[in-house]
Amino acid sequence: SQQGEEDPQALSIQEGENATMNCSYKTSINNLQWYRQNSGRGLVHLILIRSNEREKHSGRLRVTLDTSKKSSSLLITASRAADTASYFCATGSQGGSEKLVFGKGMKLTVNP
Amino acid sequence: GAVVSQHPSWVICKSGTSVKIECRSLDFQATTMFWYRQFPKQSLMLMATSNEGSKATYEQGVEKDKFLINHASLTLSTLTVTSAHPEDSSFYICSARGDYSNEQFFGPGTRLTVL
Repeated sequence: SQQGEEDPQALSIQEGENATMNCSYKTSINNLQWYRQNSGRGLVHLILIRSNEREKHSGRLRVTLDTSKKSSSLLITASRAADTASYFCATGSQGGSEKLVFGKGMKLTVNP
Repeated sequence: GAVVSQHPSWVICKSGTSVKIECRSLDFQATTMFWYRQFPKQSLMLMATSNEGSKATYEQGVEKDKFLINHASLTLSTLTVTSAHPEDSSFYICSARGDYSNEQFFGPGTRLTVL
């Protein structure tokens, strides 16, 4: 069953603007990961944040995690047209399970 | 970085035929591989987890006799969709994980269309 729920489902912005996507989940997690998928293609791993971390940066990406609210956000700064894609959060659960549970995904469109 | 390939990238077949999809880890040994299915505009749904040399573990609702998974080596896993029907048309994605990391590396996916 799906755990992560991305919010909003679709976002359209202009190049140069920041894009924020939120993800909520239901159960305890070991880590939360964000992926990007271009149309009809495989997934690209963006960033992983562990349950004991609150914030993480990677280039133009900033991820936060609030385990008390069971939510995470992905911020893409200074967006580019090439950032247009679908973005998914995925949770890895506690207890040593290897499985990832993906959210529904969010379609980001960056207009040039 | 770790590279995972899938073959074929797309396949069209007639209803009732079987289709085999290969997933290969090109530069690392994948002790665990995962198979996902993704319907249009939807998320990835895990179908099964396979460990090299042992039987795959299927998720609830996934028919193991219809979706045969073989993970005979540390670099290759195959998914065979047996007696495919139009409702099996989907995007099938594999991922692989090595011994020393929890990170899953994803293949580019295989689009299956059953006529």
